[in-house]
Formats: sequence, structure tokens, C-alpha cells
Amino acid sequence: EVQLLESGGGLVQPGGSLRLSCAASGFTFNDYAMTWVRQAPGKGLEWVSTISTSDVITYYADSVKGRFTISRDNSKNTLYLQMNSLRADDTAVYYCAKHYSSSTSVFDYWGQGTLVTVSS
Amino acid sequence: EIVLTQSPATLSLSPGERATLSCRASQSVRSYLAWYQQKPGQAPRLLIYDASNRATGIPARFSGSGSGTDFTLTISSLESEDFAVYYCQQRSNWPLTFGGGTKVEIK
Repeated sequence: EVQLLESGGGLVQPGGSLRLSCAASGFTFNDYAMTWVRQAPGKGLEWVSTISTSDVITYYADSVKGRFTISRDNSKNTLYLQMNSLRADDTAVYYCAKHYSSSTSVFDYWGQGTLVTVSS
Repeated sequence: EIVLTQSPATLSLSPGERATLSCRASQSVRSYLAWYQQKPGQAPRLLIYDASNRATGIPARFSGSGSGTDFTLTISSLESEDFAVYYCQQRSNWPLTFGGGTKVEIK
């Protein structure tokens, strides 16, 4: 059974940092690209960042470029999102998601999400 | 950036009725459009990918159609568990984008 378990969310002050983790199991982690998607309270879904299977290729939304860094440790089956210079509008539930296939950027499994709140 | 516009924002229907949801892209996304369902407090669930392909385990009452800029998600006969918010997502171009969602509520 595929499982994605996010952790690392919490309350942080504006300008602060957090690192989110997503522990994956039930599939061959290093065969799939992975993505972070966020959802602000009461709002829709927003794509944040994607990383290729081998950590070579990464993509970022303009809203987080230069502040967030996506990475993965295939030996630990874990995806990360390092978030720096956090702003109030980064407040959201952050989901990690597995790509449906190696060549398809749609997401067939999602974690339960971890809430990040940026507030003083 | 490709903007996806979903309509209507809210659809009020009764169980057993047919639901038709629309997603329009600001430029062609070919057939690279997916649909997700999200219920309160839950993660999204993939329903349809590449415009018309049902994901694993998705009931046949869900169907997708369209190409280019205009897409439709149809639920042939609403079940109680289908009342939720539905999002479209394109994978044609980076950045990946989602539509704003359509809420299907019980009338």
C-alpha cells in the first residue's frame, strides 16, 4: 500500500524557516518524480515544486522561487521541502504527492498534509 | 502561465442527477488535463488524467472529455459520496496549474 507521511509543519514567524519531510513507502520511491502542492485555508490547490527521480531536475512556482528548495534522499525514501524567508501568504496545508508515472505530472497518491502557519 | 477557469463555482444538484463541470484553459493544453476530487479535511483524489482516462479504482460514472482549451468532467448519476470540490490541473506547460474548483453540493 502506497503511503506518504508529511511532517515538519508548525507555527513560524515571518522571515523564519521550516523543513518539511515526506516519508514514502509502498512503492519504488526512486522510480517516481515527486511534487509539493499547498492549499491555503479555504482556498484552492497551488502547485509549489517538483523534483525528478534523480534529484537532477527541479521546478518551482514563481511565488516560492529563491526561497524554497525541494530535495530527496532516495536511500531514505524521503522527500523534503526547505522553506526559508517565510511570509504570511505561505500559510497553508502542504501536501506531498507521487506522480502517476515517470512521464506524467499528475498525482495519484497524496499525503494527509502538514499545516504551516506563518504568523507573529 | 496557463490559467484554468472552472465553471460553475458551485453546482447544486440532487442525488441521481447528472453533473457537468467545465474547465477552460487560457491556451491549449492538448489533452494534458486531469481532474481531482477533494472532500473536506481530505487530500485530493485523482479521478481522470489526460482528459479522458479514469484513474485506478474510479467508478465508471465519472468521465472526462475535451481537448485543447475546453474540458468537461461528467458524473452520470450523483451518489451521496460525490458531493465534494472538483479541481482540474494541466501538465502541458510549467508551471503546473490548477483551476479554482467547482463545489458540487446537495440541493
